[in-house]
Amino acid sequence: EIVLTQSPGSLSLSPGETVTLSCRASQSVSSNYLAWYQQKPGQAPKVLFYGASTRATGIPDRFSASGSGTDFTLTISRLEPEDFTVYYCQQYGGSPPWTFGQGTKVEIK
Amino acid sequence: QVQLQESGPGLVRPAETLSLTCSVSGYSISHSFYWGWIRQPPGKGLEWIGSIYHSGNTYYNPSLRSRVTLSLDTSKNQFSLKLSSVTAADTAVYYCARDRGYFDSWGQGTLVTVSS
Repeated sequence: EIVLTQSPGSLSLSPGETVTLSCRASQSVSSNYLAWYQQKPGQAPKVLFYGASTRATGIPDRFSASGSGTDFTLTISRLEPEDFTVYYCQQYGGSPPWTFGQGTKVEIK
Repeated sequence: QVQLQESGPGLVRPAETLSLTCSVSGYSISHSFYWGWIRQPPGKGLEWIGSIYHSGNTYYNPSLRSRVTLSLDTSKNQFSLKLSSVTAADTAVYYCARDRGYFDSWGQGTLVTVSS
C-alpha cells in the first residue's frame, strides 16, 4: 500500500498570498496517477487535478499542480477567501488500494 | 451531468450490518466506469472502502475486505455497500462516487453512527 504524507498539516496565510502544498508518496506513484481534492466544511471533496497536473473542469487557473514519482505539489496563487479549507492528495496508480493523504488545512490569518 | 445520492439508516447497532445505497442519475452505471465508496470519520481524513465495475467486478480495501460487500442493481441504476460487524470505529460520513481511479463525481455524503 502506498502511504501519502502531506505537509504541512496546517498553515495560516492571508488572502492574496501564494501557498504550495506537498504530497510525498512512500513509493513511486505509477504513471503519476495522483489527484488533488478540495474539501469545504460539510461538503464532499471536489477534484482539482488528476494525473498529477491535469486541471479538472471549472478549476481556476490560480490553482496549479505538478510532480512525479514520489513528490507532488499543489500551488494556489492569489488566495481567495473561498480557498481557505482542506486539501487532500490521492494516488490511484498501479493496483488498489487507492489511498489518500491525511490532508492539509489552509487557514486564514 | 452525473449525480449521486446516498441513502440508508443513520444509526446502526454495534455488531450489526451497515447498508447503504447510492442512486445515480445522469449516467447509466451499466455503461462504464467503476463506482466506489469512501468514508470519513468525524474530523478525520478520507478512506477508500472499495469499488465495483459496471460488469460487477469488485475490489476492496484490504483493511476492510473481510467485512465489505459491494453490489450493483442496474435496473434501478444503483449500487450498494454492506459493512458487517460494525463497531464505533465505523462511525463516519459515507460517500459514494464515480471511480475513474480518481473520484470525479461525489454524493453529498451520509453520516452513519454506530451506537447502541
